[in-house]
Amino acid sequence: DAGITQSPRHKVTETGTPVTLRCHQTENHRYMYWYRQDPGHGLRLIHYSYGVKDTDKGEVSDGYSVSRSKTEDFLLTLESATSSQTSVYFCAISPGGDNSPLHFGNGTRLTVT
Amino acid sequence: QKEVEQDPGPLSVPEGAIVSLNCTYSNSAFQYFMWYRQYSRKGPELLMYTYSSGNKEDGRFTAQVDKSSKYISLFIRDSQPSDSATYLCATSRMNYGGSQGNLIFGKGTKLSVKP
Repeated sequence: DAGITQSPRHKVTETGTPVTLRCHQTENHRYMYWYRQDPGHGLRLIHYSYGVKDTDKGEVSDGYSVSRSKTEDFLLTLESATSSQTSVYFCAISPGGDNSPLHFGNGTRLTVT
Repeated sequence: QKEVEQDPGPLSVPEGAIVSLNCTYSNSAFQYFMWYRQYSRKGPELLMYTYSSGNKEDGRFTAQVDKSSKYISLFIRDSQPSDSATYLCATSRMNYGGSQGNLIFGKGTKLSVKP
């Protein structure tokens, strides 16, 4: 799991409720990423961070926000969950820095009812 | 046209067979290419990482990149039941400032190796 812990591993929530997913890394890597994985779409980048308080949007950022107040933690928030956000969410890091391959956590399975 | 195209399969082979997995991509600026293996209910695991054209071998796995045809391949020799998984190809989106994190993934090919 490349030193990545995602929590919770599973969550069921209702439409309209806020949800926060947490990614914790143990190795102080600068770059961290949030992806979602859906059948028929594959993995898509939501947001990424290149340092504490430095974040940027990815391909599918609408409806999501992120925060990184410490190097080791990267939070993904769904302000008001919708059924279209039912997905598996993966956090990733770049152990070798920029231009190195990503290593992924084991994911959070989120269901919005 | 999608930036990375990958046949979703499923692909079923007998144990010991040679497996060929393939992707095509559309942007000639892509230079970094990766293959990930993903077991059910797990995160993707990096298998192979190559830069530009050519072959790279690691044990039973060989990654091949042909930039002239924008074609990426992964070959698995002497396939084992433990190779049963979904295989994802990925390449870098260099116009995002070169960050490897901005990868574009294929949708994955599900492989089953039967004993």
